[in-house]
Amino acid sequence: QQQVRQSPQSLTVWEGETAILNCSYENSAFDYFPWYQQFPGEGPALLISILSVSDKKEDGRFTIFFNKREKKLSLHIADSQPGDSATYFCAARKNNYAQGLTFGLGTRVSVFP
Amino acid sequence: AQTIHQWPVAEIKAVGSPLSLGCTIKGKSSPNLYWYWQATGGTLQQLFYSITVGQVESVVQLNLSASRPKDDQFILSTEKLLLSHSGFYLCAWSLPGGAQDTQYFGPGTRLLVL
Repeated sequence: QQQVRQSPQSLTVWEGETAILNCSYENSAFDYFPWYQQFPGEGPALLISILSVSDKKEDGRFTIFFNKREKKLSLHIADSQPGDSATYFCAARKNNYAQGLTFGLGTRVSVFP
Repeated sequence: AQTIHQWPVAEIKAVGSPLSLGCTIKGKSSPNLYWYWQATGGTLQQLFYSITVGQVESVVQLNLSASRPKDDQFILSTEKLLLSHSGFYLCAWSLPGGAQDTQYFGPGTRLLVL
């Protein structure tokens, strides 16, 4: 059973539009949610992250909205650029810092000029 | 600056042959270390983690083993490869005890088992 779910599986937007990626989770023990960006053939790179005590986190064109009650979060990519074309993974971690991350299946984003 | 190296970059191996993949972290003392596996086009599955030298915890059994012989080194191995071992192996590190526990990934090793 997938503990972290992402939708849509793939997303196409035009340059300048806002891409919205959704993520939901089952386990209430998850307290930290990073989003990773991965280009083909490379390791994932941390994009932005949020702790469960916050409901919003902004970093430049990237914003996370978090709803703890509904166990949902979303990543908004404003003013999308062709260079943003990549796969985005939502991940979650329990409050045991030593353990690793549980990843969603990813959303493949394509930005067309 | 911290750097994470993985070796080899890529491998083509025969079913039943042994495997050893390595990861080295430079510039950070006593990091938490992790191994992940990613099928082509798939998500990341955590395999092992280690919080100190000589201590490794298994998260999922895939007929693989891991060791941490030095503070900055993490090794993934098996004596007998299966076709299902093909994929992308990623090493990651994080600061111990951090609330946000940001994990940084290496460039990965691509493995093809024939």
